[in-house]
Amino acid sequence: DQQVKQNSPSLSVQEGRISILNCDYTNSMFDYFLWYKKYPAEGPTFLISISSIKDKNEDGRFTVFLNKSAKHLSLHIVPSQPGDSAVYFCAASVLGNTPLVFGKGTRLSVIA
Amino acid sequence: DSGVTQTPKHLITATGQRVTLRCSPRSGDLSVYWYQQSLDQGLQFLIQYYNGEERAKGNILERFSAQQFPDLHSELNLSSLELGDSALYFCASSVDPRGNTIYFGEGSWLTVV
Repeated sequence: DQQVKQNSPSLSVQEGRISILNCDYTNSMFDYFLWYKKYPAEGPTFLISISSIKDKNEDGRFTVFLNKSAKHLSLHIVPSQPGDSAVYFCAASVLGNTPLVFGKGTRLSVIA
Repeated sequence: DSGVTQTPKHLITATGQRVTLRCSPRSGDLSVYWYQQSLDQGLQFLIQYYNGEERAKGNILERFSAQQFPDLHSELNLSSLELGDSALYFCASSVDPRGNTIYFGEGSWLTVV
């Protein structure tokens, strides 16, 4: 049973436009959420996180939104750049209590 | 560079064999995690160690085992290998056992033929 789901395996966006990556979760105990970015032949790197006490967290071009009632979070990248092309993993945990549970990832392609 | 070092980067071995993957965590990190990424699968949590002790266990097969040594490096042992064990194995580390944010190595590609 997948507790963290990324239903879009891939997404293609034009340079300069907004990229929106989505993630759904089923475990209502999750209270900490993260996004990781992975380039080929590299390990995932931490991008941004949000705890359940917030509904938005922003870091430069990256913003994560959390909708607890819908058990949904999204990552917005504005403006998208070709260097953003990577696989993005959504992850969740019960803060301080469980290892991170990851989704299957969404491959983002930003086209120049 | 995350500071987490994994060796070997690539490994090809035959079914039935045994391999050992090694991980050195970031300087100062006491907690080590192992994840497996198979084709079309996300990152599946295998096991976590904190300061030498097992802290959490995920979907780790009985044929697999791990340990963390006094110098904090960790090894993942995979035995009686099957074709389905072919995957990318990631090690990650964090300062504390809660692992709110963990930092990954580049992974070890295992191919079982």
